[in-house]
Amino acid sequence: GQQVMQIPQYQHVQEGEDFTTYCNSSTTLSNIQWYKQRPGGHPVFLIQLVKSGEVKKQKRLTFQFGEAKKNSSLHITATQTTDVGTYFCAGPNSNDYKLSFGAGTTVTVRA
Amino acid sequence: DAGVIQSPRHEVTEMGQEVTLRCKPISGHDYLFWYRQTMMRGLELLIYFNNNVPIDDSGMPEDRFSAKMPNASFSTLKIQPSEPRDSAVYFCASSKTGLRGAYEQYFGPGTRLTVT
Repeated sequence: GQQVMQIPQYQHVQEGEDFTTYCNSSTTLSNIQWYKQRPGGHPVFLIQLVKSGEVKKQKRLTFQFGEAKKNSSLHITATQTTDVGTYFCAGPNSNDYKLSFGAGTTVTVRA
Repeated sequence: DAGVIQSPRHEVTEMGQEVTLRCKPISGHDYLFWYRQTMMRGLELLIYFNNNVPIDDSGMPEDRFSAKMPNASFSTLKIQPSEPRDSAVYFCASSKTGLRGAYEQYFGPGTRLTVT
């Protein structure tokens, strides 16, 4: 079945620095979704990418969908303490509406 | 919109007891998903419904787990009998059908289950 892998599993960042987390799928995806879960909270939808090579920005967050639609990345610039949490990517199975979630990248920020 | 509503938010029970978790999806959403999250296994899909009909329950771990959706605004996940290894956070999520495939899912606040 489809697998979605994320790296790194943990990201420790100095406040103000940039970092990137990566998502790779074993199969081509129709779209890729990103979610953020704050400590003690629930996953919250951030964005969906649909087109090959698509790039979308949300303030300091930049999301990219690979040309082959099998990988994606999330880049955060000038990391702030509000960025703390776990970032998940998720891709739909080809035949139905369920999502395969990656294991997530857990981000901690050093002030 | 109130979002996805789950109850209870916390549940502590003894091994062998029956546990029922409840979920009210967002009005107008026709997909409902039940997930379980643990440190060891991450976020796992247990079962999902479309228009109140179970579509895929391959993630349900054992016969001790069952889920129902009697109408568009209510679903339950039941564990009977519960075991300590069932301790986890259980999320309910809902989404709606779209022309471009899977739409984003909206998660409830979760139920933190502890089985002693």
